[in-house]
Amino acid sequence: KAGVTQTPRYLIKTRGQQVTLSCSPISGHRSVSWYQQTPGQGLQFLFEYFSETQRNKGNFPGRFSGRQFSNSRSEMNVSTLELGDSALYLCASSLEQDSPLHFGNGTRLTVT
Amino acid sequence: EDQVTQSPEALRLQEGESSSLNCSYTVSGLRGLFWYRQDPGKGPEFLFTLYSAGEEKEKERLKATLTKKESFLHITAPKPEDSATYLCAVRPNYGGATNKLIFGTGTLLAVQP
Repeated sequence: KAGVTQTPRYLIKTRGQQVTLSCSPISGHRSVSWYQQTPGQGLQFLFEYFSETQRNKGNFPGRFSGRQFSNSRSEMNVSTLELGDSALYLCASSLEQDSPLHFGNGTRLTVT
Repeated sequence: EDQVTQSPEALRLQEGESSSLNCSYTVSGLRGLFWYRQDPGKGPEFLFTLYSAGEEKEKERLKATLTKKESFLHITAPKPEDSATYLCAVRPNYGGATNKLIFGTGTLLAVQP
């Protein structure tokens, strides 16, 4: 069974640009969550989606947004990139909300 | 405020030298405590879920236990391939189902042959 797939693996962007990251969950999983991982803050929750609806949102500015499609695939978007947005962005899927999360290998975003 | 603290930050063991990692938590109701393993350049890999005090789970050389305030990950006779960062996370009870987990900053484990 294929795991969570995230694309691209690496991205280099310039301040002020925007970026879209993609996530394909494990087949049959209906919930997708996004986390940001940095050396200083560790893993921090961004948002979660279930049945195409955003169910929870973390304490991030409105520049961070996401969506989920009918096939459970998800995208997150960051607009007006700042240097501090450089991080590993992890997508996780679960069978249902309240089930264990299974993570992808992330997208490493570098903002210069 | 919901919080998870892991100790030690780093641990170096000799192969075969058993030890324990600690995860203490402060949370408004617990809907699950999770242990993950993360290798460099990869995402966290799910290990265990614990739901209530007294519960224990085992997998190969790893055993996770849970009390009302903390969890331990016991590593018995570790091997070099057990070297990784071990992350603890809690799922607070916000009154409904959620995948918003609060993570600790991890314990970096190095097992030397």
